[in-house]
Amino acid sequence: DTGVSQDPRHKITKRGQNVTFRCDPISEHNRLYWYRQTLGQGPEFLTYFQNEAQLEKSRLLSDRFSAERPKGSFSTLEIQRTEQGDSAMYLCASSIWRAEEETQYFGPGTRLLVL
Amino acid sequence: EDKVVQSPLSLVVHEGDTVTLNCSYEVTNFRSLLWYKQEKKAPTFLFMLTSSGIEKKSGRLSSILDKKELFSILNITATQTGDSAVYLCALGGKLIFGQGTTLQVKP
Repeated sequence: DTGVSQDPRHKITKRGQNVTFRCDPISEHNRLYWYRQTLGQGPEFLTYFQNEAQLEKSRLLSDRFSAERPKGSFSTLEIQRTEQGDSAMYLCASSIWRAEEETQYFGPGTRLLVL
Repeated sequence: EDKVVQSPLSLVVHEGDTVTLNCSYEVTNFRSLLWYKQEKKAPTFLFMLTSSGIEKKSGRLSSILDKKELFSILNITATQTGDSAVYLCALGGKLIFGQGTTLQVKP
């Protein structure tokens, strides 16, 4: 399968713990995006990378969140000191940047539950 | 601030019906508008509409973009139970999604 993959698919953690999610984009896709989706809502943009450079972070992304894409391939999203409000589906998407023709393809997501 | 509003929020139809889903938007610099289908998992891409491509069709699904009136519609003809899903509309770039329309197709 050459689609976007994410790991783990599900994560249950206790409040205050740190968690890290991984995303492997479609090979040769130079852009990688992170989104968060809560029940009944559309996904909300968190941050994105072009190659290894993080180009934008949403105001939604508090200081407890950090993302990396060290070699321009896979990316990690870490949440420190998790809170119950962090419970959501975390989606990763990748694309090839081609101006207005950019299409993002999503991975299966990581569902986080903070108890 | 860029914004997407979808309507209706939910819809129940019977197999064979035709449905029209609406997406209106406000945007500073338009690049593209995308439609995705989500079935209890990640969104899957359906269509992209741009200034150079305002009408798309694939099988029973079709979509148009009206850049003057700032809206798009997604049509599904001869609906099937497999069409039951949440349909999401998004402005291109760092995607800005609407709330989605939940479609339920009854046998």
